[in-house]
Amino acid sequence: GAVVSQHPSRVICKSGTSVKIECRSLDFQATTMFWYRQFPKQSLMLMATSNEGSKATYEQGVEKDKFLINHASLTLSTLTVTSAHPEDSSFYICSARNRGEGVFQETQYFGPGTRLLVL
Amino acid sequence: AQKVTQAQTEISVVEKEDVTLDCVYETRDTTYYLFWYKQPPSGELVFLIRRNSFDEQNEISGRYSWNFQKSTSSFNFTITASQVVDSAVYFCALFNFNKFYFGSGTKLNVKP
Repeated sequence: GAVVSQHPSRVICKSGTSVKIECRSLDFQATTMFWYRQFPKQSLMLMATSNEGSKATYEQGVEKDKFLINHASLTLSTLTVTSAHPEDSSFYICSARNRGEGVFQETQYFGPGTRLLVL
Repeated sequence: AQKVTQAQTEISVVEKEDVTLDCVYETRDTTYYLFWYKQPPSGELVFLIRRNSFDEQNEISGRYSWNFQKSTSSFNFTITASQVVDSAVYFCALFNFNKFYFGSGTKLNVKP
């Protein structure tokens, strides 16, 4: 299947700093990427939908200025956690939408996730 | 409203037992996709299967099988002859209107 990478896989930072997470679709073009957040032993929570060449669409309750999303190309989306605080510590997962080659062939592929720890 | 319910929070079985993970979904749309993903302790979501709403044919892949029934809005997942490596959290998800709606997940513990 298609491959989606995330970098870094783990990051530890001090409170107040900004952290950038990259999500790349390695062998297909993704016009849409999604960012999720997962707390321990919980399900994935959609944060925002990232569309190439346009502004991201954020879910209710997600701070746009806190979580900056840039979909610079058809294979790259970045999530920047600005002025990170300990409560931002979480597991962040991206996914890329692959429209496939035919009707009903659409699938989403998930990146391996990034564990963020803010001290 | 779109919603996915996985009523089983955690299941423990002994190796070689069969186990079924339940998934019930809600949607008003007639066109949608259903997915199952596996999340091992490493955290990476592993794609298992996708079904579109017009294809109710059940599917078998090795020890895995899926039962999609629109009449009951269910998309259940059965693992036959479970193995320790099957231990993970399994998520059922509904995709429509350009969004994924995940269930809360079922943690499967397979003991040797």
